[in-house]
Amino acid sequence: AQSVTQLDSQVPVFEEAPVELRCNYSSSVSVYLFWYVQYPNQGLQLLLKYLSGSTLVKGINGFEAEFNKSQTSFHLRKPSVHISDTAEYFCAVRRTGSSASKIIFGSGTRLSIRP
Amino acid sequence: DGGITQSPKYLFRKEGQNVTLSCEQNLNHDAMYWYRQDPGQGLRLIYYSQIVNDFQKGDIAEGYSVSREKKESFPLTVTSAQKNPTAFYLCASSIGGPSTDTQYFGPGTRLTVL
Repeated sequence: AQSVTQLDSQVPVFEEAPVELRCNYSSSVSVYLFWYVQYPNQGLQLLLKYLSGSTLVKGINGFEAEFNKSQTSFHLRKPSVHISDTAEYFCAVRRTGSSASKIIFGSGTRLSIRP
Repeated sequence: DGGITQSPKYLFRKEGQNVTLSCEQNLNHDAMYWYRQDPGQGLRLIYYSQIVNDFQKGDIAEGYSVSREKKESFPLTVTSAQKNPTAFYLCASSIGGPSTDTQYFGPGTRLTVL
């Protein structure tokens, strides 16, 4: 079975500062990895995903994430945040090559940007 | 525009009543999902369907029921057997099959039991 741990439930940062949201996963098989963003009272929107190939993945809104297989991590980063990045961020994992389409989500990290 | 719609956005229910949440997609996706979101707990899978007329229980199916009579529709009924139904409910869909299977989400329905 797979599991996802988001180590920080809340991350406050100042506007224009860099940010890293941490995600670690546990799995005995190969996985796909995802980051989703949820703005207040809305559904989730895909930020980026790792399927294969380059371990550095670039997504929308200037976010990027790096897959580290040895550390089983997929941390999300942005070099300079804006007020509009205030949201909750979810890391997720799914088995590769499986027809069972279940994605396992982490508990989320709330990013708050201070002016 | 293609997408997923959920209705209503807000729903109030009295204790002991069943209520049905609507989810419709025009993305021609085979797979659809229902999640429940509670503060600090992330998303938990209630039911999912990989194809029309077939569905499977997720991690917290007790007190819920679904149907999948049409490809584009996957309604969720919250029954009176669900002891703590107040939550934010999210519907999602994906292409399905052994693909990368990115899930696309609707805007959600917030259910409050009075």
